Amino acid sequence: AQTVTQSQPEMSVQEAETVTLSCTYDTSESDYYLFWYKQPPSRQMILVIRQEAYKQQNATENRFSVNFQKAAKSFSLKISDSQLGDAAMYFCAYRSGGSNYKLTFGKGTLLTVNP
Amino acid sequence: GAGVSQSPSNKVTEKGKDVELRCDPISGHTALYWYRQSLGQGLEFLIYFQGNSAPDKSGLPSDRFSAERTGGSVSTLTIQRTQQEDSAVYLCASSLGHSVKVETQYFGPGTRLLVL
Repeated sequence: AQTVTQSQPEMSVQEAETVTLSCTYDTSESDYYLFWYKQPPSRQMILVIRQEAYKQQNATENRFSVNFQKAAKSFSLKISDSQLGDAAMYFCAYRSGGSNYKLTFGKGTLLTVNP
Repeated sequence: GAGVSQSPSNKVTEKGKDVELRCDPISGHTALYWYRQSLGQGLEFLIYFQGNSAPDKSGLPSDRFSAERTGGSVSTLTIQRTQQEDSAVYLCASSLGHSVKVETQYFGPGTRLLVL
């Protein structure tokens, strides 16, 4: 079974600074997808960024980028120019590329952005 | 367009009562998922529906939990004889369908269930 580990229960960053959230995963599969979701206090899970395992290029979405290290099974999220609205719980998630479509989540990292 | 909606937003019930939680997926999405978010447990997969196929119930924690999806759209998650450990946020998500190689699951705001 796949597992996802987020080793940082809480992180804080100053507004306009950069922060990196860590995620590691364990799998024996070669085809899979990785995601970062954001959950603000409203509880709505919002997709931040996703990465296909077969792609070597790291995904980027505006101020959000990932460092995908397939051999190390590491998938960290970098938030640049942090904004107050980035404050939320961040979840790393894994999805198999086969028919096992469910998402397996890490336990989350609570990000605080200080003004 | 409208996103995934869930009702009720919050539900307080007494131990031993049955509860029903509702999910309206995004129109046109054939795949629907239920997850449970418990304090200290993170998000756990419960059940998955895809079109008219038999649902994947592998994540349901006990036979007190069941779910159905009528007409390939709205889904109801039912918890019978609720226990205090059932207290959690129940999240529903939908996606286009697993025939799409890379797809995103879109989540609703969840139902917070408190069992007294």
